[in-house]
Amino acid sequence: NAGVMQNPRHLVRRRGQEARLRCSPMKGHSHVYWYRQLPEEGLKFMVYLQKENIIDESGMPKERFSAEFPKEGPSILRIQQVVRGDSAAYFCASRQGVPYEQYFGPGTRLTVT
Amino acid sequence: DQQVKQNSPSLSVQEGRISILNCDYTNSMFDYFLWYKKYPAEGPTFLISISSIKDKNEDGRFTVFLNKSAKHLSLHIVPSQPGDSAVYFCAASSRGGSNYKLTFGKGTLLTVNP
Repeated sequence: NAGVMQNPRHLVRRRGQEARLRCSPMKGHSHVYWYRQLPEEGLKFMVYLQKENIIDESGMPKERFSAEFPKEGPSILRIQQVVRGDSAAYFCASRQGVPYEQYFGPGTRLTVT
Repeated sequence: DQQVKQNSPSLSVQEGRISILNCDYTNSMFDYFLWYKKYPAEGPTFLISISSIKDKNEDGRFTVFLNKSAKHLSLHIVPSQPGDSAVYFCAASSRGGSNYKLTFGKGTLLTVNP
């Protein structure tokens, strides 16, 4: 039973480029969350999606960031025109309807140079 | 405003002894609490959870205690093993609204010495 998959594991982008982070949830999970962890900080909620729907994007910056979870394929977190402050670890988590535990992927470490 | 606080950045214990990790929360809407363990360069691993209708939940060496009146929970690991050395995150969720997004503390680094 494969866990949550994320790729790439490491991503280096220059300022102004675009970053695309992918997440495949656990089999049978239809709820996907994205979190960001800055150095020396806890994880912070960004966005919650179900298939083809954004349910809650209250933690995501209004500009440059977008997320999707299409009917087919992985969830994508997209960061346009990256800046140095976007450097962080981005984690995806998924869950079933019940129970409520979220299971995390290994993360994508984004470095903006 | 930090709604979930882990006031001890680090904790060191001897192998075989009990590890107690603490967590406080301020949002009275939180009704579901989880502990995660995280190794460097890996994602958090779910350990144990507790609903606000309970005051204790146990799973093997791990026990979580919840004191709602004090808005405090703790994770007990007994006996502690060197492989338990990791960062432990407390997280809280409100099931109202069917969102279940997690609010995390900053974590406590546990070191278990052989």
